[in-house]
Amino acid sequence: TQLLEQSPQFLSIQEGENLTVYCNSSSVFSSLQWYRQEPGEGPVLLVTVVTGGEVKKLKRLTFQFGDARKDSSLHITAAQPGDTGLYLCAGPKSSGDKLTFGTGTRLAVRP
Amino acid sequence: KAGVTQTPRYLIKTRGQQVTLSCSPISGHRSVSWYQQTPGQGLQFLFEYFSETQRNKGNFPGRFSGRQFSNSRSEMNVSTLELGDSALYLCASRRTGSPYNEQFFGPGTRLTVL
Repeated sequence: TQLLEQSPQFLSIQEGENLTVYCNSSSVFSSLQWYRQEPGEGPVLLVTVVTGGEVKKLKRLTFQFGDARKDSSLHITAAQPGDTGLYLCAGPKSSGDKLTFGTGTRLAVRP
Repeated sequence: KAGVTQTPRYLIKTRGQQVTLSCSPISGHRSVSWYQQTPGQGLQFLFEYFSETQRNKGNFPGRFSGRQFSNSRSEMNVSTLELGDSALYLCASRRTGSPYNEQFFGPGTRLTVL
């Protein structure tokens, strides 16, 4: 059973479009992280959200942690080809716990 | 500061053989975790080492083992390789005292079992 389900699984969009990726769980997480992985590389941490309802912005990327700390979303405004990659959410159930990774969303942005 | 390094980057082995992968964490990071990434199962946690002691373990068979040295470098060993062990093996380190277990990943070792 995958604890963190991401949707959509695949997304192919045109440069300039907006998109939202979702990360859902039936379990509560103490915090959630978002990573981006490009081909041939390991995942790179983008952001950590800690408080229920928290919103964090990183340039054109907006991350939100659900009020109940069971879900999170990533919104990209005006996507660019450089945003192409595999987006992964991950979280520990409690502080110090191992990370559980989501199923992943593969994004392709066409120029 | 240099990132996490992993060697080798690519490996081809045959069924029944064993393999050892190496990881050097970011300088000052004492925690090293290993993950297996496959298209079907995604990214799965193998184990974590901190100060030469295994702190957490995922749901993998005993053929998967690891160790950490006093300089925080870590090795992972897989014995009696199976076709299903073909995967990208990722090593990650984290800052000591980080409350959120944020991981800094290496580029991975791509293992192919024939």
